[in-house]
Amino acid sequence: EAQVTQNPRYLITVTGKKLTVTCSQNMNHEYMSWYRQDPGLGLRQIYYSMNVEVTDKGDVPEGYKVSRKEKRNFPLILESPSPNQTSLYFCASSLFVPGEQPQHFGDGTRLSIL
Amino acid sequence: DAKTTQPNSMESNEEEPVHLPCNHSTISGTDYIHWYRQLPSQGPEYVIHGLTSNVNNRMASLAIAEDRKSSTLILHRATLRDAAVYYCILRDKYSGAGSYQLTFGKGTKLSVIP
Repeated sequence: EAQVTQNPRYLITVTGKKLTVTCSQNMNHEYMSWYRQDPGLGLRQIYYSMNVEVTDKGDVPEGYKVSRKEKRNFPLILESPSPNQTSLYFCASSLFVPGEQPQHFGDGTRLSIL
Repeated sequence: DAKTTQPNSMESNEEEPVHLPCNHSTISGTDYIHWYRQLPSQGPEYVIHGLTSNVNNRMASLAIAEDRKSSTLILHRATLRDAAVYYCILRDKYSGAGSYQLTFGKGTKLSVIP
C-alpha cells in the first residue's frame, strides 16, 4: 500500500532534549516536505527536498534541521526543542511536478515540548 | 498561488449528495484546481484535481465552471466518514523552482448528520 509513515505519532518531551521525527515513503517520490499545523495558522511548510541531498527552507525553518540521504526517508530534527515548537507535524511527498501531482501526507506527529 | 474562497461550514444528511463550492476568480490559465480533505486527527488527504474538464474518481466528482472562476466538489452520497474539512487549492501547472508547498486556507468544515 502506498503510504507516508511518520514516527512517533505522539511525543512529550522537555526543552532542549534533541529529538528526531522520522518520515518514510514507499512510492519512489522525489519530492518530500514537512509542515506544521497550528490552530488559526493552518499548515505551514518547514523544509522541503526536491531529491536526495537537495533540501531547502520553507516558510518556518527556524529551529529545525532536515536531511535527505536516501530517497525514501526525510527525517525532521529538532536539535534543541522549545515550547513554541509544540505542534502537529505532517510529512508529505509527491512526484517531481507537484503543480499537477497530488501530495500524499502522513498521519501526523503531535509534539509537546514542556 | 491564486486565492480561493470557500464557505466556512456546511451540513449534509447522510446518504445525500453534497456540493461543496469554491470561488477562484483570479485563477490563471495554468492553475490546476486541487481538493484535499482532512479528517479529524489525520493528515490531509488528496481527493481530486482538474484543469478545465469535469473529473470523476472513486471518491468524488469535480465540476469546473466554463470560465474556471469557480468549481464544485461533489460527494455523491455523503457518509459519516466524509465529515472533514475540505480545502480547495490552486496549483500552477508550471510550478518552477520553489517550495511547491500547498497553501491551505481555512477550508469548509463538512458535518454529516446521521
